[in-house]
Amino acid sequence: GQNIDQPTEMTATEGAIVQINCTYQTSGFNGLFWYQQHAGEAPTFLSYNVLDGLEEKGRFSSFLSRSKGYSYLLLKELQMKDSASYLCAVRDHSWGKLQFGAGTQVVVTP
Amino acid sequence: DTGVSQDPRHKITKRGQNVTFRCDPISEHNRLYWYRQTLGQGPEFLTYFQNEAQLEKSRLLSDRFSAERPKGSFSTLEIQRTEQGDSAMYLCASSLGEDEQYFGPGTRLTVT
Repeated sequence: GQNIDQPTEMTATEGAIVQINCTYQTSGFNGLFWYQQHAGEAPTFLSYNVLDGLEEKGRFSSFLSRSKGYSYLLLKELQMKDSASYLCAVRDHSWGKLQFGAGTQVVVTP
Repeated sequence: DTGVSQDPRHKITKRGQNVTFRCDPISEHNRLYWYRQTLGQGPEFLTYFQNEAQLEKSRLLSDRFSAERPKGSFSTLEIQRTEQGDSAMYLCASSLGEDEQYFGPGTRLTVT
């Protein structure tokens, strides 16, 4: 079966760091994606990992361990505008269907 | 550069009516996807086109649902005989080959 797990909600203070974990069990693997979704808006692409290791893009970094079926998204120097849902998604075939987790709601407090 | 657009943004319909949604992908993107999202959940895959060919349909897509991409550009998703359980956000995404998918703003359907 297909299973993608991530925490439901996380709260952090402005300026702090938050790490959102994602574990997956899927029948195939061809990349892991992180998307940000503000309430009522479309998901926007943040990062992509297909090989093990860390990918850094500004304040956001994403890590992948294929052997452990594990990824995390690291958000540094949190800003109020980072309050959103963060979606972990696995692509199981090369043609690109994404399977999403339920999302992690990050609340940034002053 | 215009992103993915969807029309309408909101649709309220009565149970049993038919509805049709439109998606215009980013112009050079050859792949187009439809997803459905309900509150508190991630998007769920519905169907996928490469150019004009529909290559996969989810089991979520009952025979009341049909999608087309007649010229490999815009796509339509039709729901016949709508049910209250069809109420959701319908998202369209496009990509160039295996690159990341770009999502449109979605069509929020409410079935009363």
